[in-house]
Amino acid sequence: SQQGEEDPQALSIQEGENATMNCSYKTSINNLQWYRQNSGRGLVHLILIRSNEREKHSGRLRVTLDTSKKSSSLLITASRAADTASYFCATDGYSSYKLIFGSGTRLLVRP
Amino acid sequence: DADVTQTPRNRITKTGKRIMLECSQTKGHDRMYWYRQDPGLGLRLIYYSFDVKDINKGEISDGYSVSRQAQAKFSLSLESAIPNQTALYFCATSAGTGEAGELFFGEGSRLTVL
Repeated sequence: SQQGEEDPQALSIQEGENATMNCSYKTSINNLQWYRQNSGRGLVHLILIRSNEREKHSGRLRVTLDTSKKSSSLLITASRAADTASYFCATDGYSSYKLIFGSGTRLLVRP
Repeated sequence: DADVTQTPRNRITKTGKRIMLECSQTKGHDRMYWYRQDPGLGLRLIYYSFDVKDINKGEISDGYSVSRQAQAKFSLSLESAIPNQTALYFCATSAGTGEAGELFFGEGSRLTVL
């Protein structure tokens, strides 16, 4: 079964708008990571947030983590057409060193 | 050259055939992984290896086997391929640390079993 589940499954926005994706998970974690996948390509790491962190930024990306709710969100600000991709969260489970991925959010940014 | 290289990139085969997907990396990482991606199901972990002598089953290992020939090489085999193994397969690596670190992915091997 999936450890992380993203919401929504698909999101369509206009260029320049912000995009927010959410991830819920089931067990305690050491860290949670977000990845991006362009159609049919390999996944690319975006950001890692540890269980003792609440918020992290990287360029136009902002990730939050609420361990009490077992949830995370990824915000992409001022979106661009090039941000069109699928976005996945991945969690490690507290006592394992392997990542389990959610089913992803497909983001379409319309020019 | 890519840090994580998968071969073949595309393969069409028939039911019952033996298939090997190969992965090699130049990142010097100890940890290597094989994931499978199906539409709408995200990535599922098949096998992982934390060093040459360490092999572990993931979520969906049935019907698959792996070999860690060297630190840089990790192969996935389908002994007798079946149509529901049609999927996109990814190899990934990570540095060995005290946590599940950033994964570096190959470009994927698209397998079709007829």
